Amino acid sequence: QSALTQPPSASGSPGQSVTISCSGTSSDVGGYNYVSWYQQHPGKAPKLVIYEVDKRPSGVPDRFSGSKSGNTAFLTVSGLQAEDEAHYYCSSCAGTNNVFGGGTKLTVL
Amino acid sequence: EVNLVESGGGLIQPGGSLRLSCAASGFTFRNYAMTWVRQAPGKGLEWVSAISGSGGTMFYADSVKGRFTISRDNSNNTLYLQMNSLRVEDTAIYYCAKDVGTVAVANRGDYWGQGSQVTVSS
Repeated sequence: QSALTQPPSASGSPGQSVTISCSGTSSDVGGYNYVSWYQQHPGKAPKLVIYEVDKRPSGVPDRFSGSKSGNTAFLTVSGLQAEDEAHYYCSSCAGTNNVFGGGTKLTVL
Repeated sequence: EVNLVESGGGLIQPGGSLRLSCAASGFTFRNYAMTWVRQAPGKGLEWVSAISGSGGTMFYADSVKGRFTISRDNSNNTLYLQMNSLRVEDTAIYYCAKDVGTVAVANRGDYWGQGSQVTVSS
């Protein structure tokens, strides 16, 4: 049950796009379409921004999009805004359990 | 409005036991899978356990298997996490989350509680 691999940090200027990767294996990301992405601001509970690879929950702006290629999933945030600065975590079903990535700190410059 | 409220956390010595509760309201509780996720101080998220809507299927992280038990009372809209043989490394904020649907291991938490602090220390 190894954690998924995310870059520790990412950054972009307001209005730009940034993509965060989430690397796993054929036993998790590559084997299931149950990939989720969470946004977490300091001191707050996580918020679901993408589920099942590319679905957006109600209320999440369409600036957030998800995709997957092989064993790697991606979260793209377009038209960066100041409030997008947060930690982002991916997660994936791994059969009989689930696993998170280590998290990526997104900084809006 | 969906609301999840955790309780039962606190300070406990290594080897001790605690039971967390998560009171749910604002949705038909029995129709949704539920998940526990924890976050150690200054660390990332860790998936802990999940249970199907009926309560008949449970899943656990390897780090807690055999020590923690997830359950639910659909008549009282409450989720539980019984934690035994607690270790220092179990120290974390524990969150409960409602799933988007019925697949317990999918981890699609669309609503979260505020978290309950568990501290394991002598």
